[in-house]
Amino acid sequence: DSGVTQTPKHLITATGQRVTLRCSPRSGDLSVYWYQQSLDQGLQFLIQYYNGEERAKGNILERFSAQQFPDLHSELNLSSLELGDSALYFCASSHLTEGNTIYFGEGSWLTVV
Amino acid sequence: GQQLNQSPQSMFIQEGEDVSMNCTSSSIFNTWLWYKQDPGEGPVLLIALYKAGELTSNGRLTAQFGITRKDSFLNISASIPSDVGIYFCAAPAASGGSNYKLTFGKGTLLTVNP
Repeated sequence: DSGVTQTPKHLITATGQRVTLRCSPRSGDLSVYWYQQSLDQGLQFLIQYYNGEERAKGNILERFSAQQFPDLHSELNLSSLELGDSALYFCASSHLTEGNTIYFGEGSWLTVV
Repeated sequence: GQQLNQSPQSMFIQEGEDVSMNCTSSSIFNTWLWYKQDPGEGPVLLIALYKAGELTSNGRLTAQFGITRKDSFLNISASIPSDVGIYFCAAPAASGGSNYKLTFGKGTLLTVNP
């Protein structure tokens, strides 16, 4: 158990819909990262938040957005969903004093039908 | 952008055999990481390497940070069935401060036949 909690574990939704994925980082971790894992693209970095502020952006679509709340939990919002958005979405967290290592949650499996 | 070329894509071995996989890039990195992902789980950090030429072990796993800083190797000795999973190399594309983006290789799928 990495200490990173993600909900829901599985989600099936229709095209055009909007979903929210939730992440609670490890206790004390200030940074939260979102990654997307698909068969064709592998693990892709989406976005990073640090102590409530956006710090880095990766290959995140404009239809996707994220935020980190004062209690440090984070949400990833996916809107106008397309079939190609079906993937495993991972949240990860880290505490800067631990160097360059991050800890992943178990992921939220999104299926768009 | 930075790309990590991981090989082999998959391996099918007998229990007890040793395994080697590697990751290369055209970019120079200051850190190399190796993760393992079990089915239905998130990637779990196995070994972190922070210095060129560094050789680090974690049980039966040994990883090396290439001297050119453009590659890394992971070896698993005396494989057992629970070694099955996908192994990823990763390296950070840090841009300063608390920014930290990991680039991952495509993974090596390891199957161990009991």
